[in-house]
Amino acid sequence: QKEVEQNSGPLSVPEGAIASLNCTYSDRGSQSFFWYRQYSGKSPELIMFIYSNGDKEDGRFTAQLNKASQYVSLLIRDSQPSDSATYLCAVTPSGGYNKLIFGAGTRLAVHP
Amino acid sequence: DTGVSQDPRHKITKRGQNVTFRCDPISEHNRLYWYRQTLGQGPEFLTYFQNEAQLEKSRLLSDRFSAERPKGSFSTLEIQRTEQGDSAMYLCASSSGQAETQYFGPGTRLLVL
Repeated sequence: QKEVEQNSGPLSVPEGAIASLNCTYSDRGSQSFFWYRQYSGKSPELIMFIYSNGDKEDGRFTAQLNKASQYVSLLIRDSQPSDSATYLCAVTPSGGYNKLIFGAGTRLAVHP
Repeated sequence: DTGVSQDPRHKITKRGQNVTFRCDPISEHNRLYWYRQTLGQGPEFLTYFQNEAQLEKSRLLSDRFSAERPKGSFSTLEIQRTEQGDSAMYLCASSSGQAETQYFGPGTRLLVL
């Protein structure tokens, strides 16, 4: 079992729709959760982080965390073609914050 | 530009050669990380520095890989006797403290022929 799992996609949504990206993790002791966006050929860019159960909103982005279910998601409202990228979920392992464990990413395609 | 910088951005080398990459973190960040990313995968942790001390190294990192951060500022990652399997994007990230978010540099793309 992979430590952080994401559906590889592609997830295709029309412009203006809500894109929902999901991530599950195996380490129950993980405390910090991050979403990065990565355009093709570029490095990861931080979108959001979340530490507590519940929702956290930042502009068009909402991160949701459910530690009991070991599940974290990212919602993108009013999706734009410029949101087309790979979205990486990352978690810090229990026992320290010295690294991030990444999923393989979900490719999002927003079509006009 | 006050972000993380990496040099070179691209490197093509022949199998068996040594290569060295440099990372300059955000100036006030005392934590520096190296990751490796291959096509279709997420970044994979290689090693971590707090100031000049290398505190963690992935078990996946072979003896051909070595990293330094001699003065607690920039860091270098050296790969000796490169192999074709070393071809990847090498990413550097920095953060300002425990549990703080990590910010990535542009990466160094290595191709071993």
